[in-house]
Amino acid sequence: SAVISQKPSRDICQRGTSLTIQCQVDSQVTMMFWYRQQPGQSLTLIATANQGSEATYESGFVIDKFPISRPNLTFSTLTVSNMSPEDSSIYLCSVAGNTEAFFGQGTRLTVV
Amino acid sequence: GDSVTQMEGPVTLSEEAFLTINCTYTATGYPSLFWYVQYPGEGLQLLLKATKADDKGSNKGFEATYRKETTSFHLEKGSVQVSDSAVYFCALSSRYNQGGKLIFGQGTELSVKP
Repeated sequence: SAVISQKPSRDICQRGTSLTIQCQVDSQVTMMFWYRQQPGQSLTLIATANQGSEATYESGFVIDKFPISRPNLTFSTLTVSNMSPEDSSIYLCSVAGNTEAFFGQGTRLTVV
Repeated sequence: GDSVTQMEGPVTLSEEAFLTINCTYTATGYPSLFWYVQYPGEGLQLLLKATKADDKGSNKGFEATYRKETTSFHLEKGSVQVSDSAVYFCALSSRYNQGGKLIFGQGTELSVKP
């Protein structure tokens, strides 16, 4: 199993600003994933982050809006840039185990 | 592309009632199937999983059987408790990306009343 710590757990931000979310894993992992859960909705994959290469973004998500860093095998950040109220969501970090995925507690973001 | 469809919620049951949450999927190849649970104010937790056809996943009294012929993975519990109140997500992972990138259903909120 993997233990994932996300920071911050929640934040309230002004529109037009940016927020960086940190994800720390207690073991080395090849792939890390970032998901978004909009209010009352399911989880949607934003991007896959591999160490040493650029993140791979899913359709509808772009690097300028959601830049991702992956400096080593235990850490990643997701930045939500130039925020608008539509970005209010829970953002979750996830890592791949052998047969299942593990999730952080999530970051609850409210943009006002 | 691959997709997961869950029955819509919210579902409200009395304690000790029987629970079924339907889940069907569309996928190429042989995906692994999962049920995740999200308790109020908490993160996602794996409830159970099945990695091949006819496998039955079970945990905490919940069960789901991987049915390839009907492309389904319905979640069942014989007697629900108030503590089972949560949002339940059905998900799949493609064969070539086991345990990693997941495609989720829309989630089903369960409320169990005493």
